[in-house]
Amino acid sequence: RKEVEQDPGPFNVPEGATVAFNCTYSNSASQSFFWYRQDCRKEPKLLMSVYSSGNEDGRFTAQLNRASQYISLLIRDSKLSDSATYLCVVNKGTALIFGKGTTLSVSS
Amino acid sequence: EAQVTQNPRYLITVTGKKLTVTCSQNMNHEYMSWYRQDPGLGLRQIYYSMNVEVTDKGDVPEGYKVSRKEKRNFPLILESPSPNQTSLYFCASSLGLGQGTEAFFGQGTRLTVV
Repeated sequence: RKEVEQDPGPFNVPEGATVAFNCTYSNSASQSFFWYRQDCRKEPKLLMSVYSSGNEDGRFTAQLNRASQYISLLIRDSKLSDSATYLCVVNKGTALIFGKGTTLSVSS
Repeated sequence: EAQVTQNPRYLITVTGKKLTVTCSQNMNHEYMSWYRQDPGLGLRQIYYSMNVEVTDKGDVPEGYKVSRKEKRNFPLILESPSPNQTSLYFCASSLGLGQGTEAFFGQGTRLTVV
């Protein structure tokens, strides 16, 4: 099982849609979790940390299920500017392990 | 402005010619690391450093060296580059790796080895 697995997509959605990304991780000892956003061949940037209680930042909601080793990201009311690759990231102690990313394309 | 600066941004070189990619951060971060990103493989860690004079191998260290003589700088050295090291490289720094800590990335170095 890969350390961090994501559905690569692409997800093609119209503006205003709600879209959900899923991610699973293999190391049950992982303690911190993140979603990063990467625009085409640019540097990744932190979108949000993911907490056990779930957390929300505007149109974005992240959830963590430690028992299932599963992380999700929900984007509501998608904007054209949300088009990017979303990277699920897990801390394995000495390194951040990145999933390969899920590509989102929002169209008008 | 808080930032991680990598140089050069683009580099084309020939097999076997030693090169160094520099990375500098101005946030007093202890943790720094290098990643390479390849299509279909995602970001993979090459080396990391927990603090000055403390470095260790990541998942794909072969063919690379690093040093951490000062807190702000973490250069990546390719002693004898080969075509399979053609990739997009990112340097990153953070206070640590725990919950709520953000990793800041440089803008990337696109390396081509011919």
